[in-house]
Amino acid sequence: QLQLQESGPGLVKPSETLSLTCTVSGGSISSNSHYWGWIRQPPGKGLEWIGSVHYSGSTYYSPSLKSRVIISVDTSKNQFSLKLSSVTAADTTLYYCARHVEYFYNYIDVWGKGTTVTVSS
Amino acid sequence: DIVMTQSPDSLAVSLGERATINCKSSQSVLYSSNNKNYLAWYQQKPGQPPKLLTYWASTRESGVPDRFSGSGSGTDFTLTISSLQAADVAVYYCQQYYTTPPTFGQGTKVEIK
Repeated sequence: QLQLQESGPGLVKPSETLSLTCTVSGGSISSNSHYWGWIRQPPGKGLEWIGSVHYSGSTYYSPSLKSRVIISVDTSKNQFSLKLSSVTAADTTLYYCARHVEYFYNYIDVWGKGTTVTVSS
Repeated sequence: DIVMTQSPDSLAVSLGERATINCKSSQSVLYSSNNKNYLAWYQQKPGQPPKLLTYWASTRESGVPDRFSGSGSGTDFTLTISSLQAADVAVYYCQQYYTTPPTFGQGTKVEIK
């Protein structure tokens, strides 16, 4: 059964870059039928799509975050990563990695457990 | 962006009774060329990630109990829990994937009356 696990610092200073990695286990990230994404959820609030990546390296970002986001993939490690630059307190939230079915903004059939990132000095 | 609006924000239903959650999109998510509605429903229990319940508006994900059913077309959709169980206490979200960026409703909290 495919599983996703987020990892990375839980605390980032304002104006710095948030970096998270998602490790895929129980399956290969090199699937033509899937895209690998990041979604965030402020405490007690709804879900916001950040962007996604294909194992080929093609990336797709939310317009609202595009200027600050880089998502990359490392097929040799079966991982994909998120970098969010110039963070502020508004970026303090729960971050999920996830698997989109068939297309880069399609529905999501597998989610990681999520990791909380706090932006604070 | 397509705005997804759910109603109600919360509801309390007795065990064994029906629960109905509505989701309205700001524009149609029905793709005419394949007659598919690009709409999914998720269940999120406290401290857990969302779990896919249905996609294409009404296709139930493998392993999801048949008491969960999705319906609707165009801009108006419904998730129905036919006989509420204690395990169904959660927040439910709809999501459109008709266009990028994919967007979610604000969530509906379902509790036991």
